[in-house]
Amino acid sequence: RKEVEQDPGPFNVPEGATVAFNCTYSNSASQSFFWYRQDCRKEPKLLMSVYSSGNEDGRFTAQLNRASQYISLLIRDSKLSDSATYLCVVTFSGNTGKLIFGQGTTLQVKP
Amino acid sequence: NAGVMQNPRHLVRRRGQEARLRCSPMKGHSHVYWYRQLPEEGLKFMVYLQKENIIDESGMPKERFSAEFPKEGPSILRIQQVVRGDSAAYFCASSPGTSTNEKLFFGSGTQLSVL
Repeated sequence: RKEVEQDPGPFNVPEGATVAFNCTYSNSASQSFFWYRQDCRKEPKLLMSVYSSGNEDGRFTAQLNRASQYISLLIRDSKLSDSATYLCVVTFSGNTGKLIFGQGTTLQVKP
Repeated sequence: NAGVMQNPRHLVRRRGQEARLRCSPMKGHSHVYWYRQLPEEGLKFMVYLQKENIIDESGMPKERFSAEFPKEGPSILRIQQVVRGDSAAYFCASSPGTSTNEKLFFGSGTQLSVL
């Protein structure tokens, strides 16, 4: 079983749509959680951290459910510029800070 | 303050040749991570280095791959006797410390193509 699993998609949505991505992780000792964004296989860039209390940044909302070992990302009012691959990332205690990446979920926003 | 610098951006090698990928971390960062991304896959951790030390190489293939981060100069990922399966994007990231909440800063990557 992969340490971090995501539905690869692609998700094809019209502009203005709301879209949700899910991610599960296998290691219950996982400590920190992030969503990264990657455009056309360029370097991944941090989108937002994910906390148990949930956090929101503009049109983006991230949620963490430790009991279910599940992370989500919600994008409201999708823009063309949101088209990218979204990577679910975890670290866990004693892991020397290295990031464990999911394979990514591809989003394509259509006009 | 320059970001993480990787070179070359693109590297073409024939089977059996050696590939050397370089990474200069951000100024003030002494921790370097190398990741590999195969086509249609996510990034896979390869190795974590501090100056002159390999801290975690659990993601490195057992043969042909090596990494170093000397006291002076960039970190080097070396692949000997490359094969077609080594074709991938190789990303380097750096951080100032080891806190799991510390943001990693990624370079633009080196795209290795093996003919």
